[in-house]
Amino acid sequence: GAVVSQHPSRVICKSGTSVKIECRSLDFQATTMFWYRQFPKKSLMLMATSNEGSKATYEQGVEKDKFLINHASLTLSTLTVTSAHPEDSSFYICSASPSGHGDTQYFGPGTRLTVL
Amino acid sequence: GESVGLHLPTLSVQEGDNSIINCAYSNSASDYFIWYKQESGKGPQFIIDIRSNMDKRQGQRVTVLLNKTVKHLSLQIAATQPGDSAVYFCAENSGGSNYKLTFGKGTLLTVNP
Repeated sequence: GAVVSQHPSRVICKSGTSVKIECRSLDFQATTMFWYRQFPKKSLMLMATSNEGSKATYEQGVEKDKFLINHASLTLSTLTVTSAHPEDSSFYICSASPSGHGDTQYFGPGTRLTVL
Repeated sequence: GESVGLHLPTLSVQEGDNSIINCAYSNSASDYFIWYKQESGKGPQFIIDIRSNMDKRQGQRVTVLLNKTVKHLSLQIAATQPGDSAVYFCAENSGGSNYKLTFGKGTLLTVNP
């Protein structure tokens, strides 16, 4: 139980294009999902907290117009990297908290984004 | 041994030895702590957690110790196996309604056969 999936697992895109990453909780409902970014040999940095049915809360320094988050259902959150540039290349990881268990986070397998 | 610096801290042990990975957390208000294991190219995997009203918790081959006085957390792995090789992160939850986690810098554990 408590499986979180991400799609795609790996994506390569051209500079200037937009990329959408999906995060799904497969066997539980998640009121809250989190999006993290991880550079090589570095720790996870929280980008934003996504709450179902409301606007995401972004961490300081994260551009909300650059990283669009939509959490339209209790099992799906999406992160869209708009007008991607090479410096956006990173490992993006989502996590999901089961409804009613906010302090528990189950992590997805991550999405490797490479912007050429 | 363990080295700390600009690069990811590393710990190298022999198979069968016990491993101790340390973490200093930042927020004295944090009340929930988790250790995660991350293998290359994968997402973090939950290992064990502990709440601030405890100072020790044991799992299968793993033990977490919490010292709130000096804001220090450790993960002990007994009889370390090659499959334990990974990066280990501690994470703290400062409470409140947002349940955000703050991750430590991580330690690369290498188990030599």
